[in-house]
Amino acid sequence: SQTIHQWPATLVQPVGSPLSLECTVEGTSNPNLYWYRQAAGRGLQLLFYSVGIGQISSEVPQNLSASRPQDRQFILSSKKLLLSDSGFYLCASTTPGGPYEQYFGPGTRLTVT
Amino acid sequence: GIQVEQSPPDLILQEGANSTLRCNFSDSVNNLQWFHQNPWGQLINLFYIPSGTKQNGRLSATTVATERYSLLYISSSQTTDSGVYFCAVPRSNDYKLSFGAGTTVTVRA
Repeated sequence: SQTIHQWPATLVQPVGSPLSLECTVEGTSNPNLYWYRQAAGRGLQLLFYSVGIGQISSEVPQNLSASRPQDRQFILSSKKLLLSDSGFYLCASTTPGGPYEQYFGPGTRLTVT
Repeated sequence: GIQVEQSPPDLILQEGANSTLRCNFSDSVNNLQWFHQNPWGQLINLFYIPSGTKQNGRLSATTVATERYSLLYISSSQTTDSGVYFCAVPRSNDYKLSFGAGTTVTVRA
């Protein structure tokens, strides 16, 4: 199975500051990678999806962007954080070609003040 | 897109009790996952169950794909079972999952 690492685990940032969250995957090559956000007490919202290096699909227009500089590295960024960017950010991975069982990292809890 | 509904939204159990969580989905699917989100936020894979029944310790799951539902059974519940349980199914023809809103389970000692 896959192991997904995320850092930092928690982050408190002021409004207007930049953001960079990192996700790395072990145990598989060329995984499909996903960024989700979960607001407090809510379900999971898919933000970005990637099938390979440099290939990013955005699910919802927003203040965030994603990049995939290496096969097993996925980065979530923002140039200027908004209060509404607060939440719990989860990175997930599936093995290409199936089975498409999705595995999640431990998450990053972001508070924008 | 495919709709996923979970019931009940909240469940309070006394330690040792059994319970059943339900997941209904609006279209045919070729896989289904159950997750447990613990109080620290970690999403833990419980079952990958496109059809049939699987068991893992005190937990078991059954998916009846032809009738578009899945059930998660928790037997002899423990306080560590507390958290939110999500089911998720793939959207149409891509690799993305549609999640239900979750069932929040609280097990009291």
